[in-house]
Amino acid sequence: DVKVTQSSRYLVKRTGEKVFLECVQDMDHENMFWYRQDPGLGLRLIYFSYDVKMKEKGDIPEGYSVSREKKERFSLILESASTNQTSMYLCASGLATGGENTEAFFGQGTRLTVV
Amino acid sequence: SQKIEQNSEALNIQEGKTATLTCNYTNYSPAYLQWYRQDPGRGPVFLLLIRENEKEKRKERLKVTFDTTLKQSLFHITASQPADSATYLCALGMDSSYKLIFGSGTRLLVRP
Repeated sequence: DVKVTQSSRYLVKRTGEKVFLECVQDMDHENMFWYRQDPGLGLRLIYFSYDVKMKEKGDIPEGYSVSREKKERFSLILESASTNQTSMYLCASGLATGGENTEAFFGQGTRLTVV
Repeated sequence: SQKIEQNSEALNIQEGKTATLTCNYTNYSPAYLQWYRQDPGRGPVFLLLIRENEKEKRKERLKVTFDTTLKQSLFHITASQPADSATYLCALGMDSSYKLIFGSGTRLLVRP
């Protein structure tokens, strides 16, 4: 079974703190993603990585950065946490795009509260 | 503008009936469409993929249709069970892009 593991289920951080969310996948997938999920807004893509050290901005990258030093690990960084970044954060991985192998495998999510 | 819409109101049905969930989209030309199940506090889990040249796809009690003229996908669960209660998300995909565009999901409640 594919496993995507996020380092924390719940986090509470203070405004202005630098926050690291870690994600590890064990299936040698090229693609990794960070989404945030908010009620009524669905999943919105923050950043995407298609290879080690490669990244692309998604739809809402402002206030975030990412790091992919190893193929299996994709980190999301909130440079200076703000209350509007309180959300559920979901990491996903997948094979290269196209064809049948396009499904995304998600981690269990990290519920981040910024106070 | 581009939109993907799922009914935000929960669908409440009796056990044994067929649940039908709708996904409509505007100003997209997806190559495929996916459906995911999400339980509270968990990440989504992939269920089915249907490509633009396929009208219908089945997997056990699940059936998905894809009408590119109506720009709509229907997701059916036959002989529904209380364990099917969850939020179901649709997602559009384009072969030329890594991105999946997700709807906000519809919550399904199956009463015993």
